[in-house]
Amino acid sequence: EIVLTQSPATLSLSPGERATLSCRASQSVSSSLAWYQQKPGQAPRLLIYDASNRATGIPARFSGSGSGTDFTLTISSLEPEDFAVYYCQQRSNWLTFGPGTKVDIK
Amino acid sequence: EVQLLESGGGLVQPGGSLRLSCAASGFTFSSYAMSWVRQAPGKGLEWVAAISGSGGGTYYADSVKGRFTISRDNSKNTLYLQMNSLRAEDAAVYYCAKGGEVVVTFSYFDYWGQGTLVTVSS
Repeated sequence: EIVLTQSPATLSLSPGERATLSCRASQSVSSSLAWYQQKPGQAPRLLIYDASNRATGIPARFSGSGSGTDFTLTISSLEPEDFAVYYCQQRSNWLTFGPGTKVDIK
Repeated sequence: EVQLLESGGGLVQPGGSLRLSCAASGFTFSSYAMSWVRQAPGKGLEWVAAISGSGGGTYYADSVKGRFTISRDNSKNTLYLQMNSLRAEDAAVYYCAKGGEVVVTFSYFDYWGQGTLVTVSS
């Protein structure tokens, strides 16, 4: 099983700041990594697929990068609606999710 | 517009059974793999099971293998999850999720239902 590790567990930032979230895989997943945003009481929303492709309707301030075992989700300038939990997910070998990074307001 | 609507959740005793359903609309259901993903209260996401578009391939997380069965009825655009021998640790919100790529079984999920809550307690 491929294990995904996300860091940090919590990121405290202010609106307008840049957020950098990390996801590391226990073995290479090539570019088969997605990122999701989840707000309380809501279903997850797909942000990025195949490491760097923005999903339909996702603002340009969200970007993904990386390949192999190390991946990054960057939010260039946090909007109030971006404070949420973010999960990575790999589909290279079955399906697994990371434990999540909570982005909260500083 | 893609819509996924789960139903069937509720309170069940340990050892009991429950069948979840997910009614899909707004896309060619048979062309896409579907999955169930769960989230225990206050916890992260856990993939549970996947089924190919034709229904010919089914895949399970080790935590539910032998107890849960995923199936689909493409004539009714409906996905199912039969859950038997339920345990306290199966308590969660269960989401159905649509695969993001035609034909590909293990994919990212581009649409999710709103979830249905399963509570396992005596």
